[in-house]
Amino acid sequence: EVQLVESGGGLVQPGGSLRLSCAASGFTFSDYWMHWVRQAPGKGLVWVSRISNDGSYTKYADSVEGRFTISRDNAKNTLYLQVNSLRAEDTAIYYCARDFNSAGDYWGQGTLVTVSS
Amino acid sequence: EIVMTQSPATLSVSPGERATLSCRASQSVSSNLAWYQQKPGQAPRLLIFGASNRATGIPARFSGSGSGTEFTLTISSLQSEDFAVYYCQQCNSWPQTFGQGTKVEIK
Repeated sequence: EVQLVESGGGLVQPGGSLRLSCAASGFTFSDYWMHWVRQAPGKGLVWVSRISNDGSYTKYADSVEGRFTISRDNAKNTLYLQVNSLRAEDTAIYYCARDFNSAGDYWGQGTLVTVSS
Repeated sequence: EIVMTQSPATLSVSPGERATLSCRASQSVSSNLAWYQQKPGQAPRLLIFGASNRATGIPARFSGSGSGTEFTLTISSLQSEDFAVYYCQQCNSWPQTFGQGTKVEIK
């Protein structure tokens, strides 16, 4: 069974940092591109970042470019999102998703990041 | 950035009736379009990829159509578990933008 489990969210002050993790199981992690998608409370879905299966290719939304870094450790079956210089507008549930034809076929349950003083 | 516009914002439908949801892209995305269902407190679930292909385990009452800039998700006979928010997403170019969602509610 495919499982994606996010962790690392929490309450952080503006300008702060967090590292989000997504532990994958039930499939060959190193075969798949992966994504991060976020959803602000009561709002819609926003694609944040994407990484190739070997980590050599990454892409970011303009709103997070230069502040967020996606990475992966295929030996640990884990996807990461380093989030720096956080702003109030970054407050959201962050989901990881497995890529399937550029869509997300499996999603984790999400981890909540709250940016507030 | 490609803007995805969904209509209507809310659709009120009785169980057993047909629901038709629309999604329009600001420029052509070919057939690179996905549909998701999201229920309160849950992650999105992939329903349709490639505009018309049902994802694994998705019931046949869900169907997708369209190409270019106009797309439709049809739920042929609404079941109680289908009341949710539905999002379209273009997968043709980065960033892979979503529509704002259509809420399907019980009439």
